[in-house]
Amino acid sequence: DTAVSQTPKYLVTQMGNDKSIKCEQNLGHDTMYWYKQDSKKFLKIMFSYNNKELIINETVPNRFSPKSPDKAHLNLHINSLELGDSAVYFCASSPPGLAGTSTDTQYFGPGTRLTVL
Amino acid sequence: SQKIEQNSEALNIQEGKTATLTCNYTNYSPAYLQWYRQDPGRGPVFLLLIRENEKEKRKERLKVTFDTTLKQSLFHITASQPADSATYLCALGNTGGFKTIFGAGTRLFVKA
Repeated sequence: DTAVSQTPKYLVTQMGNDKSIKCEQNLGHDTMYWYKQDSKKFLKIMFSYNNKELIINETVPNRFSPKSPDKAHLNLHINSLELGDSAVYFCASSPPGLAGTSTDTQYFGPGTRLTVL
Repeated sequence: SQKIEQNSEALNIQEGKTATLTCNYTNYSPAYLQWYRQDPGRGPVFLLLIRENEKEKRKERLKVTFDTTLKQSLFHITASQPADSATYLCALGNTGGFKTIFGAGTRLFVKA
């Protein structure tokens, strides 16, 4: 009965490859997020989606393309992987607030450790 | 630019003592502030949220204060236990949600 799940947990790949990370939440939340946590442990927001629509895109390179087929899923596809993409990627979701907003109390997945060689 | 600062050095305390962690921020007027706990190899877990019009909030052994004049929050764990050892992240957000800014976290070690 995992609330927010991500696959895979580990991903090791060569520079230049294309890869995807999947995220699913069974909490019935409207808002989902992708975060990147680098080696210095800073957790930086990449994307926010609300009801399958993109709300926030934090100047992420367009090699990163999120896709939300439905409210329970937010997948992250990365093209032409670079060494600097190595990090842990976290998916999260949050319950709805008033009038289409988010409460911003977030429930995180276990993370996907991406290593680009 | 918006900045959140947490003690970058680890905090080491003895079991039973009170741990106090600090979060300072600049160039931001958050509607609320949150604290999360992160264990190695896991995602952050929400602990407490305090709003801009609240001074203090408690939950079991946890207490959070929020001073919007000083732009600072203090996070206290009373009667600390070795199981409290983890990294604690401070996070800021605004009404409407969708974008939360996290600090780098403070690592807490509680020795038995």
